[in-house]
Amino acid sequence: AQKITQTQPGMFVQEKEAVTLDCTYDTSDQSYGLFWYKQPSSGEMIFLIYQGSYDEQNATEGRYSLNFQKARKSANLVISASQLGDSAMYFCAMRERRAGNTGKLIFGQGTTLQVKP
Amino acid sequence: DTGVSQDPRHKITKRGQNVTFRCDPISEHNRLYWYRQTLGQGPEFLTYFQNEAQLEKSRLLSDRFSAERPKGSFSTLEIQRTEQGDSAMYLCASSLGLGGETDTQYFGPGTRLTVL
Repeated sequence: AQKITQTQPGMFVQEKEAVTLDCTYDTSDQSYGLFWYKQPSSGEMIFLIYQGSYDEQNATEGRYSLNFQKARKSANLVISASQLGDSAMYFCAMRERRAGNTGKLIFGQGTTLQVKP
Repeated sequence: DTGVSQDPRHKITKRGQNVTFRCDPISEHNRLYWYRQTLGQGPEFLTYFQNEAQLEKSRLLSDRFSAERPKGSFSTLEIQRTEQGDSAMYLCASSLGLGGETDTQYFGPGTRLTVL
């Protein structure tokens, strides 16, 4: 069965520094996608970045990059040059690609990030 | 179009009452998902629509829950005879429906339900 594990309930980072949020996953499928979402206190889930299991290069989107290590089944999110507005809950999610799959996402429990001025 | 919208944003109800939530997806999106999120947890899948067809329901979706997507546009989620355990954030997401693992889901702001 699919499973996402985020082992850091809470993280602190100094403004302008980089931070890595950990995510490990478990799947028996060869084809899958990994997503990171940000959830501010307002509640909306904001899509940040996507990594496909067959992508050879790590995904990047502005200040966000995904450190994808397939053999270790990890997909860590790296935020560079942290800003106060980055303070939020961050979720790692996975979707398997299999016949008949509806595309539902399986989420981890999240990591709360607080950026200190 | 600015994104997925949900209404209401907050709902407080008494135990035993029925409630209905609405989700308007991004206009060209074929797929629509409902998730439930309790405090301190990640969202959990409830149900999924491809256009107007409801193609999957989680076992979390008891017979008190019903969802519809008439005409493949907006969707409603109704909870009958609410219980305190139904208190949660209900999130709606939509996607283009490209299939495979690359189909990104975009979420609405959620409806926060409190059952007294």
